[in-house]
Amino acid sequence: DQQVKQNSPSLSVQEGRISILNCDYTNSMFDYFLWYKKYPAEGPTFLISISSIKDKNEDGRFTVFLNKSAKHLSLHIVPSQPGDSAVYFCAASDTGNTPLVFGKGTRLSVIA
Amino acid sequence: EAGVTQFPSHSVIEKGQTVTLRCDPISGHDNLYWYRRVMGKEIKFLLHFVKESKQDESGMPNNRFLAERTGGTYSTLKVQPAELEDSGVYFCASSPRQGVLSVEQYFGPGTRLTVT
Repeated sequence: DQQVKQNSPSLSVQEGRISILNCDYTNSMFDYFLWYKKYPAEGPTFLISISSIKDKNEDGRFTVFLNKSAKHLSLHIVPSQPGDSAVYFCAASDTGNTPLVFGKGTRLSVIA
Repeated sequence: EAGVTQFPSHSVIEKGQTVTLRCDPISGHDNLYWYRRVMGKEIKFLLHFVKESKQDESGMPNNRFLAERTGGTYSTLKVQPAELEDSGVYFCASSPRQGVLSVEQYFGPGTRLTVT
């Protein structure tokens, strides 16, 4: 049974607009949530994370929102750029130094 | 600082053969993880080393998979004998010892294994 779910396999957004990628989780023990970006033939690259004690974390064009009661998080990218086109993975961990649990990923296409 | 490296980048073998994948973590990283992604599915955890010790091998699919990390530096993952369902991309990731603010893991480019 999947503990981390990304229900949208793909998303298409126009350049300059906002991209919103969603992620749901089922395990209440998760304390950290991470987003990774993956280009073809490369490994996942860490993008941004959030701890369960926060509800928002921002880094430049990237903001992650966490709603613990709904067990839901989202990644906002604004403004979206063609270089943001990649597969985005949501991941969760219960503490540091433990394996990450990943969703299936969402393929984002930013159209110029 | 060099990132996580993996070798080979791609391996094609026949069912029943043996393959050994190698991972070199970021220098000084105690934690080393192996993950696998089967086409279209999520990236799944296989095994976690802390230095040379296996901390968690709950994700290893069966006893055809053997991982080692002698000396606490690089790691190898051997599949013997390989089966068709072992095909996928094998990722290695590393991270430093636990720090309060750092939970992210740094991934290598992966080894694409195709078993025919």
